[in-house]
Amino acid sequence: KAGVTQTPRYLIKTRGQQVTLSCSPISGHRSVSWYQQTPGQGLQFLFEYFSETQRNKGNFPGRFSGRQFSNSRSEMNVSTLELGDSALYLCASSLSTVQYFGPGTRLTVT
Amino acid sequence: TQLLEQSPQFLSIQEGENLTVYCNSSSVFSSLQWYRQEPGEGPVLLVTVVTGGEVKKLKRLTFQFGDARKDSSLHITAAQPGDTGLYLCAGLVEETSGSRLTFGEGTQLTVNP
Repeated sequence: KAGVTQTPRYLIKTRGQQVTLSCSPISGHRSVSWYQQTPGQGLQFLFEYFSETQRNKGNFPGRFSGRQFSNSRSEMNVSTLELGDSALYLCASSLSTVQYFGPGTRLTVT
Repeated sequence: TQLLEQSPQFLSIQEGENLTVYCNSSSVFSSLQWYRQEPGEGPVLLVTVVTGGEVKKLKRLTFQFGDARKDSSLHITAAQPGDTGLYLCAGLVEETSGSRLTFGEGTQLTVNP
């Protein structure tokens, strides 16, 4: 089976812009979670989607949003980018409690 | 909010040495997972421990879950350069709305040849 794929792998944006990141889960996995990883804060949970519904949400501002499509693919959007949003954004898919991570999207905000 | 504290944050050792990484919390978790992450990649699951007091071995790696399911340790015997990476512990909290993983900050391990 193919693993979790994320696109794009690298992205450079300017403050104030918005960005959309994409995640394709492992075939058959219906749960997709998103995490933000930074050197100072480590891995922090953003949100989880299951069957197109947001099931769980972390403590991030409303500028961070996501959605899941009927084929389980997921997107996350960050609006009005800030310098502090520079991070590695990781997507993970799961069938049960074990999560399988993609390689991440490295977002740099200048 | 469940918090996981990992120690040490950084560890640089010589090939052949032993080491232990600790993961502590005041919260109880359904299970605890250990991941290893290499540069440019996402974390890869090493092991999941579920039962209090459980010990699991993966070649030279030994994982232990505390009796109260609040803490865990990872012990590596005779470390090799290939063990270099970021080791992350993550506690699973299962809620009616779904489950979420809470990660520790990680231990950056460097094994020098």
